[in-house]
Amino acid sequence: EVHLVESGGGLVQPGGSLRLSCSASGFSFSSFIMHWVRQPPGKGLEYVSGISYDGAATYYVASVKGRFTVSRDNSKNTVFLQMSRLRVEDTAVYYCVKMHSWNYSFDDWGQGTLVTVSS
Amino acid sequence: DIVMTQTPLSSPVTLGQPASISCRSSQSLVHSDGNTYLSWLHQRPGQPPRLLIYKISKRFSGVPDRFSGSGAGTDFTLKISRVEAEDVGVYYCTQATQFPWSFGQGTKVEVK
Repeated sequence: EVHLVESGGGLVQPGGSLRLSCSASGFSFSSFIMHWVRQPPGKGLEYVSGISYDGAATYYVASVKGRFTVSRDNSKNTVFLQMSRLRVEDTAVYYCVKMHSWNYSFDDWGQGTLVTVSS
Repeated sequence: DIVMTQTPLSSPVTLGQPASISCRSSQSLVHSDGNTYLSWLHQRPGQPPRLLIYKISKRFSGVPDRFSGSGAGTDFTLKISRVEAEDVGVYYCTQATQFPWSFGQGTKVEVK
């Protein structure tokens, strides 16, 4: 069974930094593209960032490009999201999501970790 | 960027009755490889989303057959043949044909 467990969320001031981690188990982690999707409180889903199976390719939505950095450690089955220069509008639950290898659907989701950016 | 627009945004339903949600994309979702990467997700209150349908009409593992997807190009539909209590929540369409991948605004299904 696939398990994705996010950690690292919390309260941070505007302009601050935070590093999210997602620990994966139950599948061959190094074979799958991994993503981060966020959901502001009471709102819908927004794609944030992704990384290819080997880390060679990374993807960012325009609103976080230059501020967020995605990376992975396949030896530890973990994907990371380093967030810097955080803004109030980055406040959201951040989900770690596995992408299916050939149908490109978001087929497994973690429980999410809440990031609150506030002074 | 591809914008996904869902209608309705709210759908009060009677248990045992059908429900239907529409999703329209601002551009064709047919990929250069010939596939259409349109999926549907369901999110219950307080839970992460879970995959229901991929590639327009393929049910994901464990999804009941009362859920069906259809459509082509820019217009897609999710249908629930007979709504059960566990089906309440928010439904999202999502596309992975063109980066950045995007989601519809969500349709809230609730019991009348």
